[in-house]
This record gives sequence, C-alpha cells and structure tokens, in this order.
Amino acid sequence: GAVVSQHPSWVICKSGTSVKIECRSLDFQATTMFWYRQFPKQSLMLMATSNEGSKATYEQGVEKDKFLINHASLTLSTLTVTSAHPEDSSFYICSAYRTENYGYTFGSGTRLTVV
Amino acid sequence: AQSVAQPEDQVNVAEGNPLTVKCTYSVSGNPYLFWYVQYPNRGLQFLLKYITGDNLVKGSYGFEAEFNKSQTSFHLKKPSALVSDSALYFCAADGGATNKLIFGTGTLLAVQP
Repeated sequence: GAVVSQHPSWVICKSGTSVKIECRSLDFQATTMFWYRQFPKQSLMLMATSNEGSKATYEQGVEKDKFLINHASLTLSTLTVTSAHPEDSSFYICSAYRTENYGYTFGSGTRLTVV
Repeated sequence: AQSVAQPEDQVNVAEGNPLTVKCTYSVSGNPYLFWYVQYPNRGLQFLLKYITGDNLVKGSYGFEAEFNKSQTSFHLKKPSALVSDSALYFCAADGGATNKLIFGTGTLLAVQP
C-alpha cells in the first residue's frame, strides 16, 4: 500500500514554455502533499506544502507565481513550472503524507530539462 | 533552528561487512525519525521510521536503526552489506505540527564487492 505516482518521469521543454507535473496518491487519501527540488548530489529542498482545497504554502525564496501548485482533490496535486528557463532544470519530487501511519510516501521524481 | 545532520558524505564498506550510516538531529519535542534510500534518478524509498516505543527499529531490506535520545542520534545499520545496497541514504525528522520533513544532506553508501 501507500503508492504515489508521479508523471512524467522526465520532460524536455523549450525555454519560455510551461510544464505540468502530476502527483497522485493511488491507494490512500492525502490531505497534504509536498513538492521538493533536488540538485545533483544534494539533498531535497522543500519548495511548498500543498493542502487539499486551499492555497499552497511556499517556502522562503520560492516564487509562487513561477511554481504553481494545485491540490484539487485528496489524491492529486500538480506543480506547474511557468515560463520555464534553463535554471529551472532540476529533479522534482513530490511526497504525500498519510495521517493514519505518520508516513510520507514519495513519487519517483521528474527530471525537467529546459533547453 | 531545527536540523538533521549526516556527518559523512560517503561511507565505503566491503560486501559482507556491517555498515553504519550516521544521523543526528536537533529537533524540539519528540520527533518522528525516518530513513530513506534513493537510487539514481529515482524518488525516495522508505526504509524505516521511529515514532515511539522500542528504540531499535527494524525496516526494509535488513536495515535497522537505533534511536538514542540522550545522544539525539538515529544511526542506520545493517549486519551484512550487499553491493545492491549502494545508493544515497537520507535521514529525516518530522518535528512538529507542520508535518514537514527536515532532511539531512545525504550519505552515499558504496559497497565494494
């Protein structure tokens, strides 16, 4: 149990376009999801906390207008990178929190390359 | 500020030998502690967690970790390392009502055949 599906696994886009990444909890409801960014050989940097039915809470230094987060249902959160630039190229990972067992389940990650 | 420390960037161990990956935390209250493993270009896989109770926690793939409150440590251990254990390991703590995980910087485990 406790599976989180993240799509796409990798995406290449042109500079100036927008990219949407989906994170779905397949067998449980997640009122809270998290979005992380990971640079090569570094730890995960929390970007924002996504709560179902409300606005996301962004960490300091993360541009909310650039990284749009929507948590429309208890099983789906999306991250849209708007007007992407090469410096946005990174590995993005989502996580869903399961209250029943104090568990955090991670998606498989999305490798974004902006050219 | 709350933090999780993994003092070793890399741990090298020979296959069949015991391994230890260190983690200490500075989190208020009684934190929940976690270990995750990450393979290249993949998300994090859950290994084990400490919530309460027995200080020795057993997890997936033969890993275990010992919670030591006095030393604020939660070291990951395995009696006999496998080459397939080679990966990046993250320690994390959930220290409060926000349910946000605080991650260590990660330790690369390299198991030599």
